[in-house]
Amino acid sequence: EVQLAESGGGLVQPGGSLRLSCAASGFTVSSNYMSWVRQAPGKGLEWVSVIYTGGGTYYADSVKGRFTIAADNSKNTLYLQMNSLRAEDTAVYYCARGTTSNYWLLGLWGQGTLVTVSS
Amino acid sequence: DIVMTQSPDSLAVSLGERATINCKSSQSVLYSSNNKNSLAWYQQKPGQPPKLLIYWASTRESGVPDRFSGSGSGTDFTLTISSLRAEDVAVYYCHQYYGPLPGTFGQGTKVEIK
Repeated sequence: EVQLAESGGGLVQPGGSLRLSCAASGFTVSSNYMSWVRQAPGKGLEWVSVIYTGGGTYYADSVKGRFTIAADNSKNTLYLQMNSLRAEDTAVYYCARGTTSNYWLLGLWGQGTLVTVSS
Repeated sequence: DIVMTQSPDSLAVSLGERATINCKSSQSVLYSSNNKNSLAWYQQKPGQPPKLLIYWASTRESGVPDRFSGSGSGTDFTLTISSLRAEDVAVYYCHQYYGPLPGTFGQGTKVEIK
């Protein structure tokens, strides 16, 4: 079955770090555009980061310099390393896959993992 | 960046009635190379991740019921649910993928049962 499963969320203090994982099944992460999209409590969707098939990356201005996206081909897993966390980073973080017809259409999503930044 | 503005923020519709959601972009998202509008719609039900419903403004994703339809061009777009069902209660987001990529989402429109 084709699916994504996030893990690694939790409670962290401001200034702390956390690494999110997204395990993929039924397809190869490295052959797809893979994204992290977040949703603050009661708010809308914000695209956080993308890793392209060639290894290039995109980051939203709000996380640039603090977050790092990466993919481990041997584990078929997507990661998001989050450093210098702030209260405004509190959100459900979803990993998602671009469709085969257009990389920017998110056709497959995980269930999300909650990150709470609070002292 | 292109700003996407949805209206209304929420609406309540009776079962079986039509629901209409609007999305306006701050500039045209018509992609000249294929003459298609780079506009998608997502549905997010409570407690679930978003689901892709429509892309290129009017193309339904595989498996999406035909009561969902998208229309519009340039800067003005509409998502229509022709006959609302209870399972359609959700927040709907438009998304432009014209640029700069990955694009931007609208703020969302909450659809409830009247």
